[in-house]
Amino acid sequence: DAKTTQPNSMESNEEEPVHLPCNHSTISGTDYIHWYRQLPSQGPEYVIHGLTSNVNNRMASLAIAEDRKSSTLILHRATLRDAAVYYCILRKTNAGKSTFGDGTTLTVKP
Amino acid sequence: EPEVTQTPSHQVTQMGQEVILRCVPISNHLYFYWYRQILGQKVEFLVSFYNNEISEKSEIFDDQFSVERPDGSNFTLKIRSTKLEDSAMYFCASGKTGVSYEQYFGPGTRLTVT
Repeated sequence: DAKTTQPNSMESNEEEPVHLPCNHSTISGTDYIHWYRQLPSQGPEYVIHGLTSNVNNRMASLAIAEDRKSSTLILHRATLRDAAVYYCILRKTNAGKSTFGDGTTLTVKP
Repeated sequence: EPEVTQTPSHQVTQMGQEVILRCVPISNHLYFYWYRQILGQKVEFLVSFYNNEISEKSEIFDDQFSVERPDGSNFTLKIRSTKLEDSAMYFCASGKTGVSYEQYFGPGTRLTVT
């Protein structure tokens, strides 16, 4: 399975944008890039996913490098509620398992 | 908004006892999963289930574990003889058909084996 690399932790100020990077240099053509987050004492929560093109939804934006070897999750205005562990996960097509790494712990300061 | 539900929220059991963790996936989803997270560690995949059979399982999912979809709504994880190391949060997830749709996770069941 292709592996992802994320920084262990990042900090942001409330109401500022946050860019969470992920490297996945061994990604294959059938891997979708998924982002999940886990708030304290909760189950993982889907954030966004994409294949090649940048994606936007109500929670975040996903910017995918042209060579697909890296991606960036963008939270446009961080709130205190966005403090969580963010996971970048590669999933095969047809609803395969999610392999969680250590993720990035995002701290949001008021 | 539809959500995955899990019961109980917390289960305490003695070593060697059988436990059944219950999940109600989102109603139009056809893919079902169990994951676990030992305190302070990563979320680990256990098993995926589709079309009434296991589609993939991890090394953790040994003969002590089984899954079942006994009716049209529930999805259960059974641990036949619990060990201390089975203490963890167990998350159920479900997903739609199609190409790499997102997974929706439940709030988890905290299993404590004493």
